[in-house]
Amino acid sequence: AQTVTQSQPEMSVQEAETVTLSCTYDTSESDYYLFWYKQPPSRQMILVIRQEAYKQQNATENRFSVNFQKAAKSFSLKISDSQLGDAAMYFCAYRSPQGAQKLVFGQGTRLTINP
Amino acid sequence: NAGVTQTPKFQVLKTGQSMTLQCAQDMNHEYMSWYRQDPGMGLRLIHYSVGAGITDQGEVPNGYNVSRSTTEDFPLRLLSAAPSQTSVYFCASSAGTDGLFGSPLHFGNGTRLTVT
Repeated sequence: AQTVTQSQPEMSVQEAETVTLSCTYDTSESDYYLFWYKQPPSRQMILVIRQEAYKQQNATENRFSVNFQKAAKSFSLKISDSQLGDAAMYFCAYRSPQGAQKLVFGQGTRLTINP
Repeated sequence: NAGVTQTPKFQVLKTGQSMTLQCAQDMNHEYMSWYRQDPGMGLRLIHYSVGAGITDQGEVPNGYNVSRSTTEDFPLRLLSAAPSQTSVYFCASSAGTDGLFGSPLHFGNGTRLTVT
């Protein structure tokens, strides 16, 4: 079974600076999807970015980008020019191409933005 | 666009009581699922469905039942609530199954359940 590990329970960053959230996963599959979800205090789950394992190019979405290292099974999220609205819990998630669209989530990282 | 609608938003139950968490989506999504969120454990899959009339167990199915009589609705039933079921519950849906496994999940806003 696949597992996802987020080793940083909490992170903090100064407003306008850059922060990187770590995520590692364990799988024997060669094709899969990886996701980062944001959960603000409103409890809503918001998709931030996703990466297809067969694509070597790292995904980017405005100030959010990933560093996908397939051999190392690492999928970190970089947030540039941090804003107060980025404060949230961030979850890394894995989806296998086998057996429907079930997500395996990491434990989450709580990100605080200091003004 | 309503998306995925969960009701209620909050619920308090006594041990042994039963209840149903409602989930409805208006996007004609084939795939629907239920997750529970607990501190330090992320979200864990309870049950899922790949279409009307088809359901299957996820990682933590014990104590929960589901059914999928229509494409739109996927209720989660707690037959006899226990304190260990205190959690935040999320319903999610997405388009397609294996052929579109990259389709993102759309989440409801969650139900906070407390069992005393």
